Amino acid sequence: NAGVTQTPKFRILKIGQSMTLQCTQDMNHNYMYWYRQDPGMGLKLIYYSVGAGITDKGEVPNGYNVSRSTTEDFPLRLELAAPSQTSVYFCASKDRGYNEQFFGPGTRLTVL
Amino acid sequence: DQQVKQNSPSLSVQEGRISILNCDYTNSMFDYFLWYKKYPAEGPTFLISISSIKDKNEDGRFTVFLNKSAKHLSLHIVPSQPGDSAVYFCAASREASGAQKLVFGQGTRLTINP
Repeated sequence: NAGVTQTPKFRILKIGQSMTLQCTQDMNHNYMYWYRQDPGMGLKLIYYSVGAGITDKGEVPNGYNVSRSTTEDFPLRLELAAPSQTSVYFCASKDRGYNEQFFGPGTRLTVL
Repeated sequence: DQQVKQNSPSLSVQEGRISILNCDYTNSMFDYFLWYKKYPAEGPTFLISISSIKDKNEDGRFTVFLNKSAKHLSLHIVPSQPGDSAVYFCAASREASGAQKLVFGQGTRLTINP
């Protein structure tokens, strides 16, 4: 099992550009999450999903969109990139009935 | 409003000694607490957890203590090993096995010196 994979690993965007961060898990987990980690800070929840077709906002959803058309994939969309979105983005997944979230390696995004 | 706080940004401990990492929380609705370990350029990995109905959970060299009245938890690592050098995050949730929307502390960088 590859676990949780994220692409790209690094990306530099210009202000106003858009992009999609990809996240895939091969563990057939129901729950998936997107977090961001700013320098010197903890992770903050952006969006989460409890299953295909169901998504909900986390603590810091502004400026982002998500979709969950399959169990495996949970892409995060930035429509109009802003410098405040410079961060490391982590995707995670969790199985129903279990207590541990499994994290991907992260995507480092810089908006200039 | 920081609901989960780790007030020590860094901690340095000699190999073989005990490492104690602390975490405080403010939301009394939190019911489940976790510790994650993070190496550079990797995602966090789960270390140990504790439910609010317990005051201690042990897994090998790692023990988590929970003091609900003080809204405080701590992670003890005994004995500390060089491979334990990493950033440790405390996290809290209002539920254990459901959607589990985690709230993280800022992290403590632990360095184990030989």
